[in-house]
Amino acid sequence: GAGVSQSPSNKVTEKGKDVELRCDPISGHTALYWYRQRLGQGLEFLIYFQGNSAPDKSGLPSDRFSAERTGESVSTLTIQRTQQEDSAVYLCASSLRRGVTEAFFGQGTRLTVV
Amino acid sequence: TQLLEQSPQFLSIQEGENLTVYCNSSSVFSSLQWYRQEPGEGPVLLVTVVTGGEVKKLKRLTFQFGDARKDSSLHITAAQTGDTGLYLCAGLAGTASKLTFGTGTRLQVTL
Repeated sequence: GAGVSQSPSNKVTEKGKDVELRCDPISGHTALYWYRQRLGQGLEFLIYFQGNSAPDKSGLPSDRFSAERTGESVSTLTIQRTQQEDSAVYLCASSLRRGVTEAFFGQGTRLTVV
Repeated sequence: TQLLEQSPQFLSIQEGENLTVYCNSSSVFSSLQWYRQEPGEGPVLLVTVVTGGEVKKLKRLTFQFGDARKDSSLHITAAQTGDTGLYLCAGLAGTASKLTFGTGTRLQVTL
């Protein structure tokens, strides 16, 4: 596709339910990031995939959060047993390769836990 | 952990005024980027600086990378309402590292 695509764009879920967020990066981009952005705040790093290397999971806030990436394509971020504090916009970004390259962002998934 | 602190956190100015946003860290970065994010959108890259002391100009925006590559600044001349948004710096500690974002500066430019 022309850009990074995220789905769904909006998700409302009940507390305690699991959710799965999807990111389709730009074709050929080896690096993929997930960030969380709470209302009015900056970007909080969650996880980073680079090619076939082991992902950097250092930003995942708890074991309720996990992410997978199939090769250099689609990634899914899963949040289990959602809590109200998980409400935020989840942004995905991809970049062409390691080093000084631009990160292209999707429009995000707005998650609301009620 | 590389931390990038931005200041100010919020800035509200009138059209025509000048402003400077700062991005500071105790860590050295091999390159630093500035992004702008508008409501409902993902951040979009404005510039990348890679050399200590480098200055880049993009129309009314001037970006500087500190000599020690630990800090950067963004100066906007004669701000316009279209400059309103969240400005984010982001650093790479090395070619194999992840992109670390700063805390963000929210700019509001009014008529």
